[in-house]
Order: sequence, then structure tokens, then C-alpha cells
Amino acid sequence: AQTVTQSQPEMSVQEAETVTLSCTYDTSESDYYLFWYKQPPSRQMILVIRQEAYKQQNATENRFSVNFQKAAKSFSLKISDSQLGDAAMYFCAYRRVMYSGGGADGLTFGKGTHLIIQP
Amino acid sequence: EPEVTQTPSHQVTQMGQEVILRCVPISNHLYFYWYRQILGQKVEFLVSFYNNEISEKSEIFDDQFSVERPDGSNFTLKIRSTKLEDSAMYFCASQQGVHSYEQYFGPGTRLTVT
Repeated sequence: AQTVTQSQPEMSVQEAETVTLSCTYDTSESDYYLFWYKQPPSRQMILVIRQEAYKQQNATENRFSVNFQKAAKSFSLKISDSQLGDAAMYFCAYRRVMYSGGGADGLTFGKGTHLIIQP
Repeated sequence: EPEVTQTPSHQVTQMGQEVILRCVPISNHLYFYWYRQILGQKVEFLVSFYNNEISEKSEIFDDQFSVERPDGSNFTLKIRSTKLEDSAMYFCASQQGVHSYEQYFGPGTRLTVT
């Protein structure tokens, strides 16, 4: 079974600085997706960024980028120019690629990292 | 922009009672999911649903849980006899197709069992 580990329960960063959130995972699959979700106090789950395992290029979305190391099974999230609105729980998640006729796997989440932005 | 909706936003029930949590997925989506998040813990997969039947389920999804798509729009999660430990946030999500990568989450229903 796949597992997702986030070793940082809490991180703090000064506004406008850069912060990196760590995530490692374990799987025997070769095709999968990795995601970072943001959960603000409203508890809505918001997709921040995704990475397809077959792509070597790291995904980027504006101020958010990932460092995907497939051999090391590592998937960290870098937030540049941190803003007060970035304060939230961040969850790393894994899902294997679905195929026609196969099952609809759910996402496997890590325990989350609480990101605090210091003004 | 289309979104997943869930009702109610907060449900309080007594232990042993049955509850039904409702979700309206995005209209052209084919895959539907329920997740649970106990306060302060990670989000856990409960069940997925496709083509009018359960596709996958986790160990958490035991006989007290059931899911249904009673009409073309609603997707429900029923808990037959609630326990204190069922208190959690329940999220519904939907996904367009097998090759889609993103699951769109609803805002969640907070279930409190007293």
C-alpha cells in the first residue's frame, strides 16, 4: 500500500520569504500523480499544484513550484514570496494513474504541514 | 465555474442515529468520492463510485456506511448507526473521467455525534 509522509507538522516563514514543505512517499507503482492541496481555516480543499510521475520537468504554478525526485520518492513544495493568504494546512497527496476498466482509487494524503506566515 | 456542493454544512446527531450526507457533484463528472477528516488529522479516503456502483473502498468503509446516487445529480453517504468516533468533516469530490487528474472537492459537511 502506498504511504505519504510529511515530516514537518508546522513551518513558519516571514512574509515575502521563501519556504519549502517536505513530502516523501512510498509506492511500487511507476505511473502516478502527486499533488499539493491547501486547506485554509474554512477547511475547503484547494488544489495548489500537481505533478505527473512520468514528467521529469518540475511543475510550477506562479509562486508555487515543486522539486520532484522520483528515485528518492520525494516531492517538496516551494512557496516563493510568501503572502499572508498562504497561511493554511498543506497536504501532500498521491494517486496512481487510472486506466479504463480499472478501479477509481482515492487520494492518499499525508498528515499535513501547518504553514504560518509572520507579517 | 462549476463546483461541488454539499449539504448540510453542519449536522449534529445523537449516537445511534442514522445520518445522510448529500453531495451534488459537477454535472459532467463520472467518478465520485467520499473522504473523511477527523479534527486535526489527515484526510482519509472512504469510497469511490462509478457507473452506479462502488469502485473502491477503504477499510474504514464498513457495513455501517453506504453510498447511493438516487437520481442524476445527488450522491449520498449514509451512516446507519452513528458512533462518537464518526464525528469528522466529510468531503465529497468528483472527477471528470478516467484520464482526469484533478478531483474537485466540496466544502465539506461537519458531522458532530453526541
